[in-house]
Amino acid sequence: EDKVVQSPLSLVVHEGDTVTLNCSYEVTNFRSLLWYKQEKKAPTFLFMLTSSGIEKKSGRLSSILDKKELFSILNITATQTGDSAIYLCAVGTSYDKVIFGPGTSLSVIP
Amino acid sequence: NAGVTQTPKFRILKIGQSMTLQCTQDMNHNYMYWYRQDPGMGLKLIYYSVGAGITDKGEVPNGYNVSRSTTEDFPLRLELAAPSQTSVYFCASSLGRLNTEAFFGQGTRLTVV
Repeated sequence: EDKVVQSPLSLVVHEGDTVTLNCSYEVTNFRSLLWYKQEKKAPTFLFMLTSSGIEKKSGRLSSILDKKELFSILNITATQTGDSAIYLCAVGTSYDKVIFGPGTSLSVIP
Repeated sequence: NAGVTQTPKFRILKIGQSMTLQCTQDMNHNYMYWYRQDPGMGLKLIYYSVGAGITDKGEVPNGYNVSRSTTEDFPLRLELAAPSQTSVYFCASSLGRLNTEAFFGQGTRLTVV
């Protein structure tokens, strides 16, 4: 059965800390891995990864995929209170299926 | 640019009632989806559509129906609401296939009592 696992499920850090969020997966015919940020309402897209070892960056956020070990990490450096959110990892397959993980709830306290 | 618009934002239904959640997008996306999100469970795909007139079941379709008569609109119908359908529902759309970037609506919080 296809599955996506995220860890930790929740995390509390202080402003300025660096955090690493993990996503591991077991799916048939992997096609892409996507990261979303969900604040109070709609998830918003962060990254899509399809190739191993190529880091994607956007400001203080970066992500990388390891297709051999079947995982991805999302790094956030110099965290701010505005980074508080649920971070969702989703894996897409060649069969047009997208499986979401349970999410990591990040709280950044001043 | 409105993006993906869902209505209503909140709704309380009694067991056995029916309702339609509306979703419209103005990005001319072919692909549209309905997800439900339960606490700590991520998003589960209910139904999706790859274009007007074409719909298909996702992971959790039981108790729901959809139609796609136009590119813009993708309503979700709940027949005979049950407490297990209490959830937050998200509509989304994408330019490419299911496994590419999706744009989400603001969600509908539905409670069935």
